[in-house]
Amino acid sequence: KQEVTQIPAALSVPEGENLVLNCSFTDSAIYNLQWFRQDPGKGLTSLLLIQSSQREQTSGRLNASLDKSSGRSTLYIAASQPGDSATYLCAVYSGTGTPLVFGKGTRLSVIA
Amino acid sequence: EADIYQTPRYLVIGTGKKITLECSQTMGHDKMYWYQQDPGMELHLIHYSYGVNSTEKGDLSSESTVSRIRTEHFPLTLESARPSHTSQYLCASSPLDRPNTEAFFGQGTRLTVV
Repeated sequence: KQEVTQIPAALSVPEGENLVLNCSFTDSAIYNLQWFRQDPGKGLTSLLLIQSSQREQTSGRLNASLDKSSGRSTLYIAASQPGDSATYLCAVYSGTGTPLVFGKGTRLSVIA
Repeated sequence: EADIYQTPRYLVIGTGKKITLECSQTMGHDKMYWYQQDPGMELHLIHYSYGVNSTEKGDLSSESTVSRIRTEHFPLTLESARPSHTSQYLCASSPLDRPNTEAFFGQGTRLTVV
């Protein structure tokens, strides 16, 4: 059974810092991995999707990498801003017959 | 922008009432999901569907039921609401089985049972 772990559970950084969020998964036979952002009391917003054949994806200040063989993904946020404060979740999709499996998330606070 | 909608956004209801939370998507996605999330806590999968007439239970012990009569519609029903059902319910959808399968979420329904 696929399990997804996110470290750290919470992170507080001053504005302007670059930071890395980590996601690991137990079964490397995945179709893709997706990073989401969730603001308090809201739904999830998709940030980046990395297909199993890809190594990284970039969107603006965000860069996500995937090392499928080691079961790891990282989300790199450059030049963090207070507006980046949110919970970041990664989710793994392993294909037919499986649901999307989420980690517990990393709660990020960017201090002005 | 994701075309997945949940109604109502907020609901306060008395114990013992039957309620149905609505979820609709206009993207033609085969897979749909329901998650339950308490404030500041992790997501728990309660039901999912691969397509019309397909439903599966998730990890969380379910006191709810779902149906999938139409591709675009995946309602969640609580037959008898209890205070322990107070939570946020999130619906999601995705295409079926492609590497570029991206899941999209609705804005959620915040349920309070008094």
